[in-house]
Amino acid sequence: SAVISQKPSRDICQRGTSLTIQCQVDSQVTMMFWYRQQPGQSLTLIATANQGSEATYESGFVIDKFPISRPNLTFSTLTVSNMSPEDSSIYLCSVARGRNQPQHFGDGTRLSIL
Amino acid sequence: GQQLNQSPQSMFIQEGEDVSMNCTSSSIFNTWLWYKQDPGEGPVLLIALYKAGELTSNGRLTAQFGITRKDSFLNISASIPSDVGIYFCAGQVDTGKLIFGQGTTLQVKP
Repeated sequence: SAVISQKPSRDICQRGTSLTIQCQVDSQVTMMFWYRQQPGQSLTLIATANQGSEATYESGFVIDKFPISRPNLTFSTLTVSNMSPEDSSIYLCSVARGRNQPQHFGDGTRLSIL
Repeated sequence: GQQLNQSPQSMFIQEGEDVSMNCTSSSIFNTWLWYKQDPGEGPVLLIALYKAGELTSNGRLTAQFGITRKDSFLNISASIPSDVGIYFCAGQVDTGKLIFGQGTTLQVKP
C-alpha cells in the first residue's frame, strides 16, 4: 500500500493561532480524506479533499475553520484555524486509490492547544 | 446520520483465548473494513469485505460481511500479547467516505 507521511507528527500551540498539517503520499491516489480523533474517541470525517477544487465538508465542519488544499494527486494540507483547547485532537490523513477501495491512514498529527 | 454500534467496548482476555467483536448499523454499507490502531499510530487495515455474506481470513483473523449488509463481525483466534490495541469497524458508502464504530479496546494477559 501507499506510504503516507504526515507533518508535523505533533505540536503544542497557543490558542488563537493556526496550524497547517501536511499529508504526502508516495504515489498518486484518487481519494484523500481528513479525519479528527478526539482523545479516547473514534474517528470522525472532517472532509474529502478534492484535487483542484474545494473540499467536501461533513456536517459540523466548515471551510473557515478547517481550510483544505489539494493541489495534486499526492499532496494535501489541512489548516486548523483560530485554535481553542477544544481542537486538541489527533488529525489523520487517509488515502484510497478509488471510491470503492479501502482507505489507508497516516500516523496522524497530535495537536495540543494551551 | 449513519451510525455504527460496535461491541464490546473493551475486552480483557487471557493469552490463547479467542476474541469476537461486532458492528451493527441501521444503514446499508457497500464495504465493511476492520482496522487496528496502536498507541501513537494511525489505524492499520486488517480486513476489507466487499460482498454480503463474504467471509474472509487474514492469518488468525476472520471477518464476515453480514447478509443484510448492515453488520459485520471480527474474530481473532488464539490471541497473543501483540494483539493488544483498539479495533475499529468501518462502513464505506458510495462517496467513499467511512463511518467508524466506537472501537473495541483489547487487552491480553500473558
